[in-house]
This record gives sequence, C-alpha cells and structure tokens, in this order.
Amino acid sequence: QVQLQESGPGLVKPSQTLSLTCTVSGGSISSGTYYWSWIRQSAGTGLDYIGRIYTTGTTNYSPSLKSRVTISLDTSKNQFSLKLSSVTAADTAMYYCARENVVVTTHRVFSYFDSWGQGTLVTVSS
Amino acid sequence: DIQMTQSPSSLSASVGDRVTITCRASQSIGSYLNWYQQKVGKAPKNLIYDASSLQSGVPSRFRGSGSGTDFTLTISSLQPEDFATYYCQQSYSTPRTFGQGTKVEIK
Repeated sequence: QVQLQESGPGLVKPSQTLSLTCTVSGGSISSGTYYWSWIRQSAGTGLDYIGRIYTTGTTNYSPSLKSRVTISLDTSKNQFSLKLSSVTAADTAMYYCARENVVVTTHRVFSYFDSWGQGTLVTVSS
Repeated sequence: DIQMTQSPSSLSASVGDRVTITCRASQSIGSYLNWYQQKVGKAPKNLIYDASSLQSGVPSRFRGSGSGTDFTLTISSLQPEDFATYYCQQSYSTPRTFGQGTKVEIK
C-alpha cells in the first residue's frame, strides 16, 4: 500500500519561498496512471487545490496560484516537491500531498484522490 | 473554475439517524464527483468515487448518488465513528475543486 509523507520547514518568513517535499513509499512514483498533487487547508476552512504533476512531468496549477507555484518530480528519490514563492500570511496552512488515481475504463476516464500524506503545517511569519 | 456548493454547512444528528448531504456544481460535471471524510487532525479519506462507487473498505451505510449538477451523500444509519467533516470534489476539469465541507456533529 502506497504511503506519502510531507517534509519541510514549518516556519517561513513573508516574501520568501515555501519548499516542501513528498516522499512516496510502497510504490514507484513513475509507474501507473497517477497525478501527484498538492492540496492545502487553512485553519478551520476547506480544501484548496494547488496543483499536480504527472509521471511525464506535465503540470497543472490552480490559476489563483499559478504565478507563484512550481511542482517538480524526482524519480530517483521517489519524491515530488512544491515551491511557492513570495509567501504571505495568507499562505499559512496545512499542506497535504496526495495521489490522484486515474482510472481508465472502456468507456470513461475518471479520477479521485486515493492516498494522502498526514499533512504538514506551514506558518508564514517573521 | 467549477464551484462546488455543499449544504448544509453543518448538522447535528444522533446515532442511528439517516443523514443526507447535498453538493451542487456550478456547471454539469456528469458523474465526475467524489466524496471524502475528514476527521479532526487527519487527512481526508475517500469514501465515494465517480458519484456512486463505494471505495473498498468503506461501510455500505455510505451511499452516493446524482449526476449533472446535483449530488447527494447519504449515511443510512449514523454511527459514532461517522462524526466528521465531509467534502465533495469534482474531477471533471482542472483545477480540481472541493465543496466547503459539511460538519456532522453529535446531537
């Protein structure tokens, strides 16, 4: 069973770059039809999609964050990473990495988030 | 972006009650709708995918239905372990978007 684990600094100063890594175990990040994704959740609020990367390196980002976000893949370490630049207090949140499972059937292709990391809290403060 | 709106935002119910949560999409999304359960301090867990397919290991008291713009998650007989926040999520287009959540509390 695949497991995901986030890691990175818990405190980032305003205007700096937030950097997080998700380590995948129990399966290869290069195999299968999966998107590797980042999702965040501010205190007491809902889930906010950041973006994703496919095994080919293709990325999709939320339009609201696109100018500040980079998601990358390191297949040699079985990891993927998130960089969010020019952070402000509004970026303080619990950050989750997740696997989006893409299911291909005869007639349709659909997907859902089937595995999540435990989350890592990032606070933006000076 | 496709907006997902859940109702109610919260509800109080007793063990054994039938609970219904509604999710509405801002445009038709076919059956590209998933449901998640999140307990305090934990990551979300997938319950239902593709609008009505029960995730492996999820109790059969959870049922998803709907298509197009209107979807429902029903818990047929609420159990103590079901008190949590529930989210819908569309997988019709990117960016993926979630509903704001429905918190199910003990009455």
